[in-house]
Amino acid sequence: NAGVTQTPKFRVLKTGQSMTLLCAQDMNHEYMYWYRQDPGMGLRLIHYSVGEGTTAKGEVPDGYNVSRLKKQNFLLGLESAAPSQTSVYFCASSRQGKRFAGSQYFGPGTRLLVL
Amino acid sequence: DAKTTQPPSMDCAEGRAANLPCNHSTISGNEYVYWYRQIHSQGPQYIIHGLKNNETNEMASLIITEDRKSSTLILPHATLRDTAVYYCILWKTSYDKVIFGPGTSLSVIP
Repeated sequence: NAGVTQTPKFRVLKTGQSMTLLCAQDMNHEYMYWYRQDPGMGLRLIHYSVGEGTTAKGEVPDGYNVSRLKKQNFLLGLESAAPSQTSVYFCASSRQGKRFAGSQYFGPGTRLLVL
Repeated sequence: DAKTTQPPSMDCAEGRAANLPCNHSTISGNEYVYWYRQIHSQGPQYIIHGLKNNETNEMASLIITEDRKSSTLILPHATLRDTAVYYCILWKTSYDKVIFGPGTSLSVIP
């Protein structure tokens, strides 16, 4: 099993450009999450999904949109990138059922630089 | 609002036990204590979790005080590969998500 994979690994954008980050998991997990990590800030939750076709806002959702059209994929979109969105983005997943949501499996991260 | 507090950094000599403290004085009765770690540039990795009793697995031990207001993660024989940021998190089944704080940066020194 590949676990949780993220595409791309690194990207440079200009202010105002758009892009989509892809997260895929092959563990048949029901829950999926998108986090961002900035220096000295720890991880902050952007959006999450508790099942196919569902999404919910996390701590810092502004400027991002998400979609969960397939159970194994969770997409994070930036419609108009800003320098403040320069960060490392991590995707995670957890097993079905709320009692497993504390145990999350993380991907390797996507490093995004917005100029 | 942070529900756990951890020291920002700690050092540990290689081969010695690393004891990482976490304060969670406002923990509720059905909140679990979870520990994750993040080795430089990698995604976080789940280590261990517990509710009331002490727990041990192949990676670490978790000691939770009787009043559950604090806990300690113990790496029994720290190696250089244990150098990482360690996160203490509270979670319960009514939560759909976990909130990570800044964690403790552990440096294992040769």
